[in-house]
Amino acid sequence: SQTIHQWPATLVQPVGSPLSLECTVEGTSNPNLYWYRQAAGRGLQLLFYSVGIGQISSEVPQNLSASRPQDRQFILSSKKLLLSDSGFYLCAWSVPGFSGNTIYFGEGSWLTVV
Amino acid sequence: EDQVTQSPEALRLQEGESSSLNCSYTVSGLRGLFWYRQDPGKGPEFLFTLYSAGEEKEKERLKATLTKKESFLHITAPKPEDSATYLCAVNNNAGNMLTFGGGTRLMVKP
Repeated sequence: SQTIHQWPATLVQPVGSPLSLECTVEGTSNPNLYWYRQAAGRGLQLLFYSVGIGQISSEVPQNLSASRPQDRQFILSSKKLLLSDSGFYLCAWSVPGFSGNTIYFGEGSWLTVV
Repeated sequence: EDQVTQSPEALRLQEGESSSLNCSYTVSGLRGLFWYRQDPGKGPEFLFTLYSAGEEKEKERLKATLTKKESFLHITAPKPEDSATYLCAVNNNAGNMLTFGGGTRLMVKP
């Protein structure tokens, strides 16, 4: 069966510091991968998605970036965090063309920028 | 542009009091409509995918239905452990991304 791992689960970072959140998927090949952000009390906002290694599409302009160095690995990064980057970050995956492109989420990473 | 609106934003029920959550949508060619459950501090958990009007799916006390304009998540005789935020999303035929609604926060009191 497929599983998704996301880490770290919680982090507190000062303004201006770098960020790296990592996500890996097991049990499937060539998945679509996604990074979402969920601000407190708000809906899910798609940040990035990837259909293959090195292929990244950005949905929202910001100081975040994403990379996909391996088929089942997706990384969210920032060189300098802003206070507004605080939130709940979710990695997700789907199998292209399967089940209406149902998306499955990881457990999430809480980021607090102070 | 695809749009999803969920109502109510919050719903308080007594244990055993059945009710329904609404998801209204506009989409250019529905590929799938999705329901998720999200517990506080956790990622959304997939519940159902519906593909066409008239389709229904059930899981324990939950039943999801779909029309051409909306979907309902019916909760029969809810228990406190059903308390969570329920998210609805749609996918169109053109792309890989889901459009999410704002969610309904369900609270079931014993």
